[in-house]
Amino acid sequence: QSVLTQPRSVSGSPGQSVTISCTGTISDVGGYNYVSWYQQHPGQAPKLMIYDVNKRPSGVPDFFSGSKSGNTASLTISGLRAEDEADYYCCSYAGSYTWVFGGGTRLTVL
Amino acid sequence: EVQLVESGGGLEQPGESLRLSCVGSGFTFSSYNMNWLRQAPGKGLEWVSYISTSSNTIYYADSVKGRFATSRDNAKNSLFLQLNGLRAEDTAIYYCARVVGGTPSDHWGQGTLVTVSS
Repeated sequence: QSVLTQPRSVSGSPGQSVTISCTGTISDVGGYNYVSWYQQHPGQAPKLMIYDVNKRPSGVPDFFSGSKSGNTASLTISGLRAEDEADYYCCSYAGSYTWVFGGGTRLTVL
Repeated sequence: EVQLVESGGGLEQPGESLRLSCVGSGFTFSSYNMNWLRQAPGKGLEWVSYISTSSNTIYYADSVKGRFATSRDNAKNSLFLQLNGLRAEDTAIYYCARVVGGTPSDHWGQGTLVTVSS
């Protein structure tokens, strides 16, 4: 059982927006501004999409955005494209050089 | 270009040992804290271990504490994970990762598969 709680699946049509939530506690998500999000296509390694709650690494398009309120972080994907269909994992720093992950959310583009 | 290349995985019986290696290139390896992360087949991601640049600070997930040991050789741009007392639940793809601030990994290699089975 993962420490952070994510919905098992979300879906949306091309062009729509979807939001994936990630709920933790004050010991992780709520206590630090170090939430990151990873995209993973089948058979591939994860890819960093968002770090420090709302920052995008170079090369990640701006229709990926992150936010946080209290103990819940969110990843929003605007203008869904077929290639966005993947698994998404949230991660939070949990202090003392440890990290916790969510169980992952399968995004289906209808 | 940042590259991380893991090796050393394989099929082992429960209770056996294995040593994983990771070579980093395209960045100053000695300047980065490093992590090991893993992903069991069909499952989510799990943080395994952290090591600081000078190896002075090392942390482990409770699930591997006392069985796994992390080390590094900055002269060889290499990171290691010694897996002892292997269990079936250790079966996973193991990734080495470059820590950046509070982010456990900003780049991922392809990982190395460890299978524990009798």
